[in-house]
Amino acid sequence: DAGVTQSPTHLIKTRGQHVTLRCSPISGHKSVSWYQQVLGQGPQFIFQYYEKEERGRGNFPDRFSARQFPNYSSELNVNALLLGDSALYLCASSWGPGNEQFFGPGTRLTVL
Amino acid sequence: SQQGEEDPQALSIQEGENATMNCSYKTSINNLQWYRQNSGRGLVHLILIRSNEREKHSGRLRVTLDTSKKSSSLLITASRAADTASYFCATYPFGNEKLTFGTGTRLTIIP
Repeated sequence: DAGVTQSPTHLIKTRGQHVTLRCSPISGHKSVSWYQQVLGQGPQFIFQYYEKEERGRGNFPDRFSARQFPNYSSELNVNALLLGDSALYLCASSWGPGNEQFFGPGTRLTVL
Repeated sequence: SQQGEEDPQALSIQEGENATMNCSYKTSINNLQWYRQNSGRGLVHLILIRSNEREKHSGRLRVTLDTSKKSSSLLITASRAADTASYFCATYPFGNEKLTFGTGTRLTIIP
């Protein structure tokens, strides 16, 4: 079975632009979570979706939004990009909230 | 914000030795999980321990949980070069569906 997949792998944007990151969970998993990881730190929780509903939101501004589709894939959108948004964005899927999470390889976003 | 704090921040040991990492957290939890990350890419789940468990084993890994002290430890026995990675604890609090990661321990195994 395929693991969690994310696209794109790398992305370079300029300040003020918007970006859409995509994630496909492991088949059968109904929960998808998004994390931001800045170099040298642990992942920071952004969102969790379960059965297409938002189940948790981290301390991120409203420029960050996400959604989960009927096939359980997910998109993370970031508007009005700032230099500080440069990070590795990780997607993880699980059977449900609180269970072990399976991570994708991440999308490396660089904002210039 | 980071819920957990790992200690030490960095650890270097000889291959074959045991490695112990500690994690402290702040709020009551449903479970605590340990993850490994190689080269700043995706994380790999190692072990999950529930709040009513005190110890759990998986292969060369042993995890303990002390809810009264709000702390956990990860022991890797007979370390190998392939164990070189960053290790993170993550807590899943009661009534709050946010898996919150600590700051990580960078483990280096010297061949």
